[in-house]
Amino acid sequence: QSVLTQPPSASGTPGQRVSISCSGSSSNIGSKPVNWYQHLPGTAPKLLIYSNNQRPSGVPDRFSGSKSGTAASLAISGLQSEDEADYYCAAWDVSLNGQVFGGGTRLTVL
Amino acid sequence: EVQLVESGGGLVQPGGSLRLSCAASGFTFTSHEMNWVRQAPGKGLEWVSYISSTGNTIFYADSVRGRFTISRDNAKNSLFLLMNSLRGEDTAVYYCVRETIAVGGAPLDYWGQGTLVTVSS
Repeated sequence: QSVLTQPPSASGTPGQRVSISCSGSSSNIGSKPVNWYQHLPGTAPKLLIYSNNQRPSGVPDRFSGSKSGTAASLAISGLQSEDEADYYCAAWDVSLNGQVFGGGTRLTVL
Repeated sequence: EVQLVESGGGLVQPGGSLRLSCAASGFTFTSHEMNWVRQAPGKGLEWVSYISSTGNTIFYADSVRGRFTISRDNAKNSLFLLMNSLRGEDTAVYYCVRETIAVGGAPLDYWGQGTLVTVSS
């Protein structure tokens, strides 16, 4: 059971906008920034969003993040086939003194 | 180019030990905090351990505390994970991961390709 809660799956058609939620508590999302990672099978995970809504260099602006209270969200607009991957939210947990991840959301592009 | 190359994975019997290594290059290793993150087969990502840039501050996940030891050799740009009393549930791909400098929230900006640890008799 993951500390952060994500839906196990999401889907959309090319060009659509999809959103993935991430729910936590006051000891993690409620008090620390949220980061998002994209993981394609057989490759190393990639930092997609950091500090709730910042994109590292090279990440398309189709990807955006937001946070409100103890919940965060990743939005992908203009969905493309190459976006098909697993997406994880993560944050530092001040009670556990460690990083906590969501269980991951598998995104399927129909 | 930032590179993180893990080694030391393999098949080990329950109760056994294994030492993972991570060779870092392409950046100033002494400036970055480092982590180990793992992924069990068919499961999600799980944070394992953190070490500060100097090695003075260390944290562990509850699932490995008391069995795993993280360390680093800044002179050799290397990160290590000594794993003792291994269990079947420790079977996973282990990633060596760098933390971004001076950004709150501990974003993990570079990941190695991972090394597979299989605990089985």
